[in-house]
Amino acid sequence: EDQVTQSPEALRLQEGESSSLNCSYTVSGLRGLFWYRQDPGKGPEFLFTLYSAGEEKEKERLKATLTKKESFLHITAPKPEDSATYLCAVQGRYNTDKLIFGTGTRLQVFP
Amino acid sequence: DGGITQSPKYLFRKEGQNVTLSCEQNLNHDAMYWYRQDPGQGLRLIYYSQIVNDFQKGDIAEGYSVSREKKESFPLTVTSAQKNPTAFYLCASSMWNEQFFGPGTRLTVL
Repeated sequence: EDQVTQSPEALRLQEGESSSLNCSYTVSGLRGLFWYRQDPGKGPEFLFTLYSAGEEKEKERLKATLTKKESFLHITAPKPEDSATYLCAVQGRYNTDKLIFGTGTRLQVFP
Repeated sequence: DGGITQSPKYLFRKEGQNVTLSCEQNLNHDAMYWYRQDPGQGLRLIYYSQIVNDFQKGDIAEGYSVSREKKESFPLTVTSAQKNPTAFYLCASSMWNEQFFGPGTRLTVL
């Protein structure tokens, strides 16, 4: 069964304190892995798509990486405005109609 | 501006009533999706549609119904058969792989 597990559930960082969020997945042939940011009471905002192991994508203070079993979202020198829930989802090669979502990591960055 | 709109933002329903949530997109995307989000759970797929006049059940379709009469619109009806409808409902659309989400509707059953 396709599955996505995100860790930690919650993360508190001091402004400027870099860290990483983990997304472990099992899927029958990965077609794509997606990262989203979700603010409270709002819809998820698309961040990145990764397709193959070794691929990396960057956007401002965020960098997403992918291996055959997991993805990391690295946050460098975070600011309070980076506080949000970060969601990971996978799309299988044999079931392209669906995304399987993890439960998210709730990030809080304090000044 | 291109995007996805959902209305209303908040919706209150009495038990036994059907309610319809609106989702409109002007991105010219072929596929549209409805998800449900509950605290501590990942987004769960309710229904999806790849083309007009066609839709498929997702993982938790019981108690819900949809229609896709226009490319731009994909309304979701929450029926009285849905036992626990209080949740945050999200609509999404896609052209290729990435799905883009609307702002959501929070439904509360009184």
